[in-house]
Parts: sequence; structure tokens; C-alpha cells
Amino acid sequence: EAGVVQSPRYKIIEKKQPVAFWCNPISGHNTLYWYRQNLGQGPELLIRYENEEAVDDSQLPKDRFSAERLKGVDSTLKIQPAELGDSAVYLCASSFDRGDRETQYFGPGTRLLVL
Amino acid sequence: AQSVAQPEDQVNVAEGNPLTVKCTYSVSGNPYLFWYVQYPNRGLQFLLKYITGDNLVKGSYGFEAEFNKSQTSFHLKKPSALVSDSALYFCAVRGVAGDTGRRALTFGSGTRLQVQP
Repeated sequence: EAGVVQSPRYKIIEKKQPVAFWCNPISGHNTLYWYRQNLGQGPELLIRYENEEAVDDSQLPKDRFSAERLKGVDSTLKIQPAELGDSAVYLCASSFDRGDRETQYFGPGTRLLVL
Repeated sequence: AQSVAQPEDQVNVAEGNPLTVKCTYSVSGNPYLFWYVQYPNRGLQFLLKYITGDNLVKGSYGFEAEFNKSQTSFHLKKPSALVSDSALYFCAVRGVAGDTGRRALTFGSGTRLQVQP
């Protein structure tokens, strides 16, 4: 079974430029998460989707971040414009929701460096 | 709000010796507890979880974790460490069902395990 796929793996951009990350979850997983992991810290949730609906985006900085999950499968996370403080690893995870006991499986992440 | 504490930034152990990576948590109601491992330039890999039942949970690669409700702890253990176990370990907690905002995991800051040959 293929795992969570993310691309690109690395991205270097200048501040104020836009950037987008893509995630393909494990087949059949209805719940998708985007986390941000700053250096030396644990991941922190940005947004959670159940199918195509964003059910928890309270931690997403909506002035510059946006996300979508068309057709309830793949997802894209966008930053526009990027700031220096956005440098981090962006992790996508997915799970199959069965009575709230699901395990989240993570992709390899996209390492973003904003110069 | 739910939270996780990993009090040790780094744990050093000799190969063949037992290892323990500590984790304490705070959450309303019954916790769902997880351990993940992260190798350099890789995503998080699931090791094990506690939902209910036996307090000792067995997971991947010979790891196990002990849930202690009175001490609100979920320490990760392995009887005999390998050099290849050297990595970053994260403990995470999730709250109970019915609260949409709590389905996401709350992670600790991570503990770096260094196993010396």
C-alpha cells in the first residue's frame, strides 16, 4: 500500500513570493491533515479535512494561507505571500475515520526555506 | 486544552541497554496516546498507540509503552536498544470523540534518542 505522497520535497523561495504544496493521501482515507513543524518542535495542526470539508482550520493564518481538497482526495496548501517566518516543514497526514480511533499516517513533508 | 510534555531533549543509551523516553500528558476525559518516530529528512512514522485496554502497548520495532493514568504518563520503552533506533521521538495525545477541534494530534516537542555502539 502506497503511503502519503507529498511534493515538492524541498522548496526555496524569496519572501513575498507564492508557494504551493501538494498532498495525495493513502487511498480510502477520508480525513486529511496539514501540519507545520518548526525546527526543534513537534508538528502543529494547520487544517483538517473530512472528505472535502474543512472542519478545523482555526490555526490556519487565513490572511496568507489557503487550502483546498477538491473531490475529497488530493489537497493543496498555498502561502501567498510567503514570509521569513514561514520557513518550516509542512507535513500532510491522512487517516480513515472509524469511530474516532483512527491512526494518522504522515507523508515525508515539504521543507520550505524562505529567503 | 490538551498538552504533552517530553521533559528530556535528548536521551543517550548504550547499544544493548534498555531505553525509556518519557512523556506526560494533559487532556479532558480519556486520552488517546501515540508515539511516532522521525528519521532525518523523513516524515513521522507511527510506532504504537493506546486507546483502551491493557496499559502495556506493544508496537513496531520492539518498542512498547506503558500507560499510567494516575501519573498521566505514557513512557516509551525498549528492552535492548539498537544503534538504528537513534532518531527523534514524538509523543502525541488526542482528546475524546465529539469535539471536532480535538481530533487533531497535539505533539510534544520531541526527544532525540542517541544509541551509542
